Amino acid sequence: NAGVTQTPKFQVLKTGQSMTLQCAQDMNHEYMSWYRQDPGMGLRLIHYSVGAGITDQGEVPNGYNVSRSTTEDFPLRLLSAAPSQTSVYFCASSFTGGRNEQFFGPGTRLTVL
Amino acid sequence: LAKTTQPISMDSYEGQEVNITCSHNNIATNDYITWYQQFPSQGPRFIIQGYKTKVTNEVASLFIPADRKSSTLSLPRVSLSDTAVYYCLVLTGGFKTIFGAGTRLFVKA
Repeated sequence: NAGVTQTPKFQVLKTGQSMTLQCAQDMNHEYMSWYRQDPGMGLRLIHYSVGAGITDQGEVPNGYNVSRSTTEDFPLRLLSAAPSQTSVYFCASSFTGGRNEQFFGPGTRLTVL
Repeated sequence: LAKTTQPISMDSYEGQEVNITCSHNNIATNDYITWYQQFPSQGPRFIIQGYKTKVTNEVASLFIPADRKSSTLSLPRVSLSDTAVYYCLVLTGGFKTIFGAGTRLFVKA
């Protein structure tokens, strides 16, 4: 099993550009989520999904869109990048969410100039 | 969602036992206490979870008193590779997981 994979590992954007961060898991997990982590801070939940076709907002959803067309994939779209979105982005998955152990990907380090 | 409070940082030496205490005064009946570990430039990794009393696995022990308003993660005989950030989470059956700032543990030789 590859677990949770994320691409790209690094990305530099200019203000106003859009892009999609990719996340995939091969563990047949129903629950997937996206977090951002700013320097020296904990993780903050952006969006999550409890299954294909079902998504919901987390703590900091503004400026991000998600969709879940398959169980395996959960892409995160930045609509119009801003310097405040410079962060490390982590994708995670778990069997059903809630108290289940979450498995995290290696992260995408995004810089917005 | 129950709020947690834990020390910002701790220092230790190799071979020592490290205890990190987390306060969660408004924990609810159905909440579980969960700890994650995060190394630099990596995503968090699940360490241990418990509801009450004591839970032990190959990595750590988790002590939870009867009132469940606090918990203590115990790492036996730490090594340099245990240098990481440790997060205490209180999880309900809901889907929104809240990570605080965590405790930065620095293990010295």
